[in-house]
Amino acid sequence: EPEVTQTPSHQVTQMGQEVILRCVPISNHLYFYWYRQILGQKVEFLVSFYNNEISEKSEIFDDQFSVERPDGSNFTLKIRSTKLEDSAMYFCASRLIGGEAFFGQGTRLTVV
Amino acid sequence: KNQVEQSPQSLIILEGKNCTLQCNYTVSPFSNLRWYKQDTGRGPVSLTIMTFSENTKSNGRYTATLDADTKQSSLHITASQLSDSASYICVVSVWGNKLVFGAGTILRVKS
Repeated sequence: EPEVTQTPSHQVTQMGQEVILRCVPISNHLYFYWYRQILGQKVEFLVSFYNNEISEKSEIFDDQFSVERPDGSNFTLKIRSTKLEDSAMYFCASRLIGGEAFFGQGTRLTVV
Repeated sequence: KNQVEQSPQSLIILEGKNCTLQCNYTVSPFSNLRWYKQDTGRGPVSLTIMTFSENTKSNGRYTATLDADTKQSSLHITASQLSDSASYICVVSVWGNKLVFGAGTILRVKS
């Protein structure tokens, strides 16, 4: 069964460092998303990506965040200068137009 | 503002008992509503999807209902099992590509 895969499963980084979270969406999907979930809180929308550009972003997705689909299969989230409050689970999702969103297993980011 | 509210926040039930989780939404234009199950530290997994014209849909021991007039949905779990312990998230899709998440209901099933 096709699935969304995310790497790494756990990333520990020092405050101020840059991190790149990687996702391989399901191959024929067209919409790609990043969400985050701070421990004990709800899942929060960060950004959606369609047709090689950002289609929507939340107020959380400020200038320290960027997304890229560098090679047609990977979908990455870069956090330029991490802060303690960036510690969270980051989920990637993909879907067809109007279809179900399939989520990856998440990357747990810990900023120390 | 597009919002999804879920209740209760958390619930503890005995194994074998039934329970019902609620979801109220103010989302426009509405496309569909999904219930997801999220195990601790894992990504959400879809249980059911409801479109505007559907009132009830079942998936094994899970039955979802949708009242598009009152903008309410419920998820009923029958004969609960220990493995049902998880967070259950109501996600409403806005026409287009946006998904609006509820905060989830944390269900704990104990023996």
